[in-house]
Amino acid sequence: QKEVEQNSGPLSVPEGAIASLNCTYSDRGSQSFFWYRQYSGKSPELIMFIYSNGDKEDGRFTAQLNKASQYVSLLIRDSQPSDSATYLCAVRGSNYKLTFGKGTLLTVNP
Amino acid sequence: DGGITQSPKYLFRKEGQNVTLSCEQNLNHDAMYWYRQDPGQGLRLIYYSQIVNDFQKGDIAEGYSVSREKKESFPLTVTSAQKNPTAFYLCASTSTGGIWSRSGNTIYFGEGSWLTVV
Repeated sequence: QKEVEQNSGPLSVPEGAIASLNCTYSDRGSQSFFWYRQYSGKSPELIMFIYSNGDKEDGRFTAQLNKASQYVSLLIRDSQPSDSATYLCAVRGSNYKLTFGKGTLLTVNP
Repeated sequence: DGGITQSPKYLFRKEGQNVTLSCEQNLNHDAMYWYRQDPGQGLRLIYYSQIVNDFQKGDIAEGYSVSREKKESFPLTVTSAQKNPTAFYLCASTSTGGIWSRSGNTIYFGEGSWLTVV
């Protein structure tokens, strides 16, 4: 089992819809969980991080963490064409090892 | 301004050569990382270091080497043993602060280095 797995995509949603991105991880000792957005050829940009079970909201973005199920998700409400990018899930283990998933390509259609 | 600097941005390697990618940060971060990214792929961890003079292999360490002699520097050498080195390389750093703090959860990335074998 890979350490961090994301739904492979690509994911296509219409403008204004909710985009849902999912990620599972294998290390139960993982402490922090991150969602990054990356445009082609550029460095990843942090969207948000979460470390406790439940939901965390920041503007149009909501991260959800369920440690029992080893699952973290990102919801993007009112999706905009500018949200079109690759979304990377990252997990930080207890020894500060930081592992990324393969990413999900999101396209928001006008 | 504090940040993380990678150089060079573009690098060409001949067959059989070793090349070194530089990564410097002035953020006083303890943890530093090197990732490789291939087209359409996520970031794969090569090496990481939690503290000076210590580092651990990531998931794809074969053909790479690192050193961490100074807190602010974490150079990556791509050796001739790495058979397919053409990729985008990213360096990152973070503090080892508590997971509840924004500083402990803010990861800074360099702008990346493109390595091509010629």
